[in-house]
Amino acid sequence: EVQLVQSGAEVKKPGESLKISCKGSGYSFTSYWIGWVRQMPGKGLEWMGIIYPGDSDTRYSPSFQGQVTISADKSISTAYLQWSSLKASDTAMYYCARLRYDSSEIDYWGQGTLVTVSS
Amino acid sequence: DIQMTQSPSTLSASVGDRVTITCRASQSISSWLAWYQQKPGKAPKLLIYKASSLESGVPSRFSGSGSGTEFTLTISSLQPDDFATYYCQQYNSYHVVTFGQGTKVEIK
Repeated sequence: EVQLVQSGAEVKKPGESLKISCKGSGYSFTSYWIGWVRQMPGKGLEWMGIIYPGDSDTRYSPSFQGQVTISADKSISTAYLQWSSLKASDTAMYYCARLRYDSSEIDYWGQGTLVTVSS
Repeated sequence: DIQMTQSPSTLSASVGDRVTITCRASQSISSWLAWYQQKPGKAPKLLIYKASSLESGVPSRFSGSGSGTEFTLTISSLQPDDFATYYCQQYNSYHVVTFGQGTKVEIK
């Protein structure tokens, strides 16, 4: 069974750093692109970027380029999303998602990680 | 960047109604469009891909159509489990993705 299991909810202060994770199982982790999607409270889905764990090829949406870093450790089948200096506006639910092989629709989603940034 | 515009933003309907949601792209995306359903507190779920292909396990009352710049998601007979928010997603350029702003289907 394909699963993407994300790390737990985080409460941080503005200016702090954070790295959240997404562990894949039940499939060949290195053969599928993993994307990250932001959903701010009460709002829609926003595409942040993707990574191919096989070779760490990474692409960012222009809106998120320079704001976050996407990485992966294929040895432990885990993708990451990190911030070096959080802002209150980073408060959101973050989903990791697997892109279907050789396509870009999302066939599996993580359960989401809620990040709250507040002083 | 390709922009996706969904309409309506909110839709009030009753069980048994036929419901249609529209998604328009700012430029042609061929048939590279997917539809997702999201319920409160849950991750989205893939319903339709390549504009009209039904994802495995999704009830046949869901259907998608369209190509180019105009697409529709139709629910032939709305069921209680279908009250949710629906999003379209374009993927015309390989791994370059944009979502529509969502359509909330509410109980009338």
